[in-house]
Amino acid sequence: NAGVTQTPKFRVLKTGQSMTLLCAQDMNHEYMYWYRQDPGMGLRLIHYSVGEGTTAKGEVPDGYNVSRLKKQNFLLGLESAAPSQTSVYFCASSPPGFGYTFGSGTRLTVV
Amino acid sequence: AQSVAQPEDQVNVAEGNPLTVKCTYSVSGNPYLFWYVQYPNRGLQFLLKYITGDNLVKGSYGFEAEFNKSQTSFHLKKPSALVSDSALYFCAVRDDNRDDKIIFGKGTRLHILP
Repeated sequence: NAGVTQTPKFRVLKTGQSMTLLCAQDMNHEYMYWYRQDPGMGLRLIHYSVGEGTTAKGEVPDGYNVSRLKKQNFLLGLESAAPSQTSVYFCASSPPGFGYTFGSGTRLTVV
Repeated sequence: AQSVAQPEDQVNVAEGNPLTVKCTYSVSGNPYLFWYVQYPNRGLQFLLKYITGDNLVKGSYGFEAEFNKSQTSFHLKKPSALVSDSALYFCAVRDDNRDDKIIFGKGTRLHILP
């Protein structure tokens, strides 16, 4: 029962470097999401997807890009990392209209 | 627009006492309501949900929540707190007029004092 798997779990980047976070789900869910969690800010939606080949912006999309080439995978990219992107990133998936299943998170530090 | 408010950043309760974590919401349609819990260095785990039906919803670990439509509230409750209940709790809402995403509150940190 893998559920939602995020890789990597930890990463340290230098300012200006790029990276991709991978989210994979094995529940055949249509919808997938990327959130960031910062102290006192709760969970903020970065981007989401309601199906293979579709993506949409959330409330804090700037500096991030996403792709959903396969139904089971949702990639989050940082083209030029900034210290303000230091955060814990969570991926989630769901069937339409239901609650989420979350991954265990990626802790990213940008120095 | 959807919104969720958790008015308390932190709640302290003595072990064995009842606990309540407050949540209010705003949606244009009918709400789907959720509570999630996050333990240190872990992802969010689903506790319970309200979609329709009985206003008192029972969930995992002995938690329950009461849906109150007139007060637009969905407070999380437990009759007798355990030290192991100490965690960060998130309330969330989905508007049935748009099923594509859930909006989360900022979270309430629950401290159960031994």
